[in-house]
Amino acid sequence: GEDVEQSLFLSVREGDSSVINCTYTDSSSTYLYWYKQEPGAGLQLLTYIFSNMDMKQDQRLTVLLNKKDKHLSLRIADTQTGDSAIYFCAESSYGGATNKLIFGTGTLLAVQP
Amino acid sequence: DAGITQSPRHKVTETGTPVTLRCHQTENHRYMYWYRQDPGHGLRLIHYSYGVKDTDKGEVSDGYSVSRSKTEDFLLTLESATSSQTSVYFCAILGTGTGANVLTFGAGSRLTVL
Repeated sequence: GEDVEQSLFLSVREGDSSVINCTYTDSSSTYLYWYKQEPGAGLQLLTYIFSNMDMKQDQRLTVLLNKKDKHLSLRIADTQTGDSAIYFCAESSYGGATNKLIFGTGTLLAVQP
Repeated sequence: DAGITQSPRHKVTETGTPVTLRCHQTENHRYMYWYRQDPGHGLRLIHYSYGVKDTDKGEVSDGYSVSRSKTEDFLLTLESATSSQTSVYFCAILGTGTGANVLTFGAGSRLTVL
């Protein structure tokens, strides 16, 4: 079945760039997503990328997709303490009636002042 | 949270008791989902619904049932709660912003089974 893998923890210093990585197994993935979860809250969509794109930039966020290696990354420039959260990678594919997203285990980003 | 309300937000119950969690949406979306979140496992899909009275199982459906008698409500029931069902439960609705399948999540329901 489909699987999405992430490293569990990343620590960076304030002002540095953060890079969170994700690998997935479903070659038919159509969209790939990054969600952010702050403590005690639900997940919020950060950004997503269509599978025919290599890169997407949105302010401090840059998403890179290597479809050949099934590797997705999220780069946060000038990381701030407010970026401390759990970041989830997810993938979905069209086809069938499910329209479901498969999530990774989440990466806890700790930003040190 | 974008028209999604989960209740209760917190519940403590005892092993063997039935529990029902409610998800209510105000946006008339067709697809609704129940996920559970556990450390080291991320979010795992329990059940989902693709319309009134239309539901299907996710990857961790054992011990759970769902019902959707009207578009706006999706109920998750634990018929006889076990300690392994202690978790945070998230409801989500599916939108199609700019063509992508985008899930919007509720704030979560934290369930503790003693």
